[in-house]
Amino acid sequence: EDQVTQSPEALRLQEGESSSLNCSYTVSGLRGLFWYRQDPGKGPEFLFTLYSAGEEKEKERLKATLTKKESFLHITAPKPEDSATYLCAVQDAGGGADGLTFGKGTHLIIQP
Amino acid sequence: ETGVTQTPRHLVMGMTNKKSLKCEQHLGHNAMYWYKQSAKKPLELMFVYSLEERVENNSVPSRFSPECPNSSHLFLHLHTLQPEDSALYLCASSQGTNGPQHFGDGTRLSIL
Repeated sequence: EDQVTQSPEALRLQEGESSSLNCSYTVSGLRGLFWYRQDPGKGPEFLFTLYSAGEEKEKERLKATLTKKESFLHITAPKPEDSATYLCAVQDAGGGADGLTFGKGTHLIIQP
Repeated sequence: ETGVTQTPRHLVMGMTNKKSLKCEQHLGHNAMYWYKQSAKKPLELMFVYSLEERVENNSVPSRFSPECPNSSHLFLHLHTLQPEDSALYLCASSQGTNGPQHFGDGTRLSIL
């Protein structure tokens, strides 16, 4: 059974204070690892897809990295508008599993 | 209209009512999904449709009945729901079942 564990559950940072969010996963074979951002009252907003160990993706202040067991979302010099819940999900390469398995998310608060 | 649109945004119903949730995607995708998001729990996959054919049913109770009349529309028909079915129901779409899934803002369902 696929499993996704995100840590920490919640993180409070000062504006400009860089940090990293962790996503540990267990799958029989990884088809893809996805990062989403979710704001209150909204659906998840797609950020990145990573497919193989060593891959990195960047977008503004966010950078996602992938190893064979975990992924990190690095946030550099965050701003208050980066406050949100960040969700990690995996898609298994096993037969017939087309949906995503999600973690519980990291609730990030950036204080001015 | 752009992206993935879900209606209604909020729904309150009694346990004996019958209602339907609607999802429409304007992205030209050919796969659609229903997820359930409950408080303090990760998103749970319910159903997957690819090319209008149901390809995955994640052990969902029969009181939830999906329908996909074409690649742009997805419905979730509800009847005789239980209080524990109160949650945010999210629709998503993707191009093929390998691509990133794009989500609507969900329907907040409350069962009295």
